[in-house]
Amino acid sequence: EAQVTQNPRYLITVTGKKLTVTCSQNMNHEYMSWYRQDPGLGLRQIYYSMNVEVTDKGDVPEGYKVSRKEKRNFPLILESPSPNQTSLYFCASSGPRGGRGNNEQFFGPGTRLTVL
Amino acid sequence: AQSVTQLGSHVSVSEGALVLLRCNYSSSVPPYLFWYVQYPNQGLQLLLKYTTGATLVKGINGFEAEFKKSETSFHLTKPSAHMSDAAEYFCAVSKGGSQGNLIFGKGTKLSVKP
Repeated sequence: EAQVTQNPRYLITVTGKKLTVTCSQNMNHEYMSWYRQDPGLGLRQIYYSMNVEVTDKGDVPEGYKVSRKEKRNFPLILESPSPNQTSLYFCASSGPRGGRGNNEQFFGPGTRLTVL
Repeated sequence: AQSVTQLGSHVSVSEGALVLLRCNYSSSVPPYLFWYVQYPNQGLQLLLKYTTGATLVKGINGFEAEFKKSETSFHLTKPSAHMSDAAEYFCAVSKGGSQGNLIFGKGTKLSVKP
């Protein structure tokens, strides 16, 4: 089954404790992206990746890191989480590259993160 | 730069009534436009998209949207609401140039009353 998976689905942590949220897709997509969803703000892009070893900042990258060492995986890293990073996080993938921006994005089920 | 405005953060309709969710966009290039739906505790699912060609686009679950360039709008409609349509709906526009990058509106939560 074609899908995007995220782990963990729920996470409660404390300020400053490094964490990683994993994202994996099995559709051989080149494009992957991370969003955060907050009430009243919709989805805001954190980082995206056009291909392996190619990443770029989205609209709200502060406090986050990503890596793209393999095509299927795109982990989101919070080196020192803070309470304002409490949010619902979604990973998405899309492809193949067409240069036209018209490809559907497939979303993971979400990770609800609480930073105390 | 692209942007999306969804009018109304909450919309409530009766079962069987017309559903109309409004979306206006701004884009310096011909836009690609999307509607996504998010059911409670789930990720986003594509309802429909407009890229080129026919301006009336049909999607899943009986939804459709019409691209109106003169009004910079892409409103989502469904003739008859069903209880299962209760969800949050997001309009999005492609940033253009970068494959896959989308700008989302803030969402409209649809409630359906029996």
